[in-house]
Amino acid sequence: EAGVTQFPSHSVIEKGQTVTLRCDPISGHDNLYWYRRVMGKEIKFLLHFVKESKQDESGMPNNRFLAERTGGTYSTLKVQPAELEDSGVYFCASSQEGYSYNEQFFGPGTRLTVL
Amino acid sequence: AQKITQTQPGMFVQEKEAVTLDCTYDTSDPSYGLFWYKQPSSGEMIFLIYQGSYDQQNATEGRYSLNFQKARKSANLVISASQLGDSAMYFCAMREVDDKIIFGKGTRLHILP
Repeated sequence: EAGVTQFPSHSVIEKGQTVTLRCDPISGHDNLYWYRRVMGKEIKFLLHFVKESKQDESGMPNNRFLAERTGGTYSTLKVQPAELEDSGVYFCASSQEGYSYNEQFFGPGTRLTVL
Repeated sequence: AQKITQTQPGMFVQEKEAVTLDCTYDTSDPSYGLFWYKQPSSGEMIFLIYQGSYDQQNATEGRYSLNFQKARKSANLVISASQLGDSAMYFCAMREVDDKIIFGKGTRLHILP
C-alpha cells in the first residue's frame, strides 16, 4: 500500500511568486493534516481536513496560505505571494478514523526555499 | 508556554549502547497521546512508538520503549542496543483532544562506530 506522497520534493522560488504543494494521503484516510517546520524551530500544525472539510485551520499563518482538498482526496497548499519566512519543510500527514490513537502517517515533506 | 520540551539538542552515543532521549510535556487534558518520530537525513517522518495517557504499561516496539511517568509528565524514549542507522533527528510529540499533534524541537542523535 502506498504511503502519503507529496509533490514536489523541493521547490525554490523567488519572493512574490506563487507555489502550490500537493499531498496525496493514504487511500481511505479521511483525515489529512498539514504541518510546517521552519529552520531551527518546531514542527507546527497548520490545518486539518476531515474529508473535504476544514476541521481546524488555526495554525495557518496568514491569508497568503490557502489549503484545499477537492473531493476529499488529495490536498493542495498554495502560498501566494511567497515571502522569505515561508521557507521550510511542509509535511502532510493522514490518518484513518476509528483507530484508538489515530496514528498519523507522514509524507516525506516538501522543502520550500523562498529567495 | 512550550507544550513539548526536549532538552537535548544533540547527543553522541557509542554504537551498541542504550540511549535515552528526554521529553517532558504539558497539558491539562486528561486524554492525550504521546508519540516519538524519527527523521533520518532523507527527511521523512517515521512513526516509532505511541503511549496513550490511560495506558497502564509503558509502550514497547522492538528496540524502542517509552518510559512514561505520568505524574512527572515525562515520556522518554529508550533505544536499546543502538545501531549506526539510528542516527537521525528524533521528535517527541503530543496529541490532545483536538487531534492536532504538537512537536518538540527535536534531538539530533549521532551513533558513533
